[in-house]
Amino acid sequence: GDSVTQMEGPVTLSEEAFLTINCTYTATGYPSLFWYVQYPGEGLQLLLKATKADDKGSNKGFEATYRKETTSFHLEKGSVQVSDSAVYFCASYNQGGKLIFGQGTELSVKP
Amino acid sequence: NAGVTQTPKFRVLKTGQSMTLLCAQDMNHEYMYWYRQDPGMGLRLIHYSVGEGTTAKGEVPDGYNVSRLKKQNFLLGLESAAPSQTSVYFCASRATGPTGELFFGEGSRLTVL
Repeated sequence: GDSVTQMEGPVTLSEEAFLTINCTYTATGYPSLFWYVQYPGEGLQLLLKATKADDKGSNKGFEATYRKETTSFHLEKGSVQVSDSAVYFCASYNQGGKLIFGQGTELSVKP
Repeated sequence: NAGVTQTPKFRVLKTGQSMTLLCAQDMNHEYMYWYRQDPGMGLRLIHYSVGEGTTAKGEVPDGYNVSRLKKQNFLLGLESAAPSQTSVYFCASRATGPTGELFFGEGSRLTVL
């Protein structure tokens, strides 16, 4: 069945380091792909999305490119800040029209 | 600008007690969802609704019931709470269409003793 797999955390980085969080999906066709972020004590909020192959989603310095060849949607940021500390979820719509999530990757950025 | 509002935000129950979580959205969204979040397991879909008066089972529906009597409200009920239902519950809603963004509430933390 459809699934989303993302790298396990926690990930700990120093401020201004480069971030990559890997995400791969299995699906029939080419579903829309999303990254959600959950700050401590809050609900999830959309960070960025891509709706078709080769699309690049971007927001707040984060980027992710929809790669159909490798079925991936890796999240990147060139220089992380302490305020980026959060849990990041990759997600895609399955064939039944429901959004399915990866298990989440906790990011901790130290000053 | 409320968006999605969940009540209560915290609750402690004893095994066997019942309770209802309320989700309200003011965005006129057709679709509404209830998820649970547990450490290391991401979000798992409990039940969902594609419109007023409709409900459907998600990935982990056992032990829960839902109702969508009004378009803006989606209720999640636990008839006989069990410790395995200790979790953080999130409600979400979205408009129709294949690429719609989900809007989440802030979560309801439930502890069953």
